[in-house]
Amino acid sequence: DIQLTQSPSFLSASVGDRVTITCRASQGISSYLAWYQQKEEKGPKLLIYAASTLQSGVPSRFSGSGSGTEFTLTISSLQPEDFATYYCQQLNDFPVTFGQGTKVEIK
Amino acid sequence: EVQLVESGGGLVQSGGSLRLSCAASGFTFSSYWMSWVRQAPGKGLEWVADINEDGRERNYVDSVKGRFTISRDNAKNSLYLQVNSLRAEDTAVYYCARENRAGNFDYWGQGTLVTVSS
Repeated sequence: DIQLTQSPSFLSASVGDRVTITCRASQGISSYLAWYQQKEEKGPKLLIYAASTLQSGVPSRFSGSGSGTEFTLTISSLQPEDFATYYCQQLNDFPVTFGQGTKVEIK
Repeated sequence: EVQLVESGGGLVQSGGSLRLSCAASGFTFSSYWMSWVRQAPGKGLEWVADINEDGRERNYVDSVKGRFTISRDNAKNSLYLQVNSLRAEDTAVYYCARENRAGNFDYWGQGTLVTVSS
């Protein structure tokens, strides 16, 4: 199975900060990568797919980039509602797998 | 509005069984692949199984093959997961999720908790 490693696992930031989360794949996955946001006690929400395409309704402060084995999720100006856990997911190979998550907390 | 509502979770002894259900609304259920994804307490996400539009194609993660069965009833807009021979490591919140055309999970339910006691 393809392993996805996110860094950092935990991030403390302030409202207005620029935040970047990295996801590294154990082998090349082209652009078959998605990012999800999960808040406590809720199902995840799709933010970005195909590495860089913003899902409908997601604010433009979220962006994604990368291909092959290294990907990033950037939040350009962190808002109070963005404090959550973020997961990357690869869809290149069966079974689909997720990173271990990055928890973004208020500084 | 797309809605997915899971039910059927609970506390069960090791070796026991449960049937999880997911009621779908707000979209043409029979036109989409559907998945179950689970999350152990305090842990990350793990895809468990998926099923194609007419129920003829089913896929499973290795750790549940032979123990879990995914199914659907398009007339009832419902997805199911029969979970048998449960183990402590199956303890998790189980989410149903819709797969869009690209295979991404674009809608998720709120989850149902399965707790396996040893």
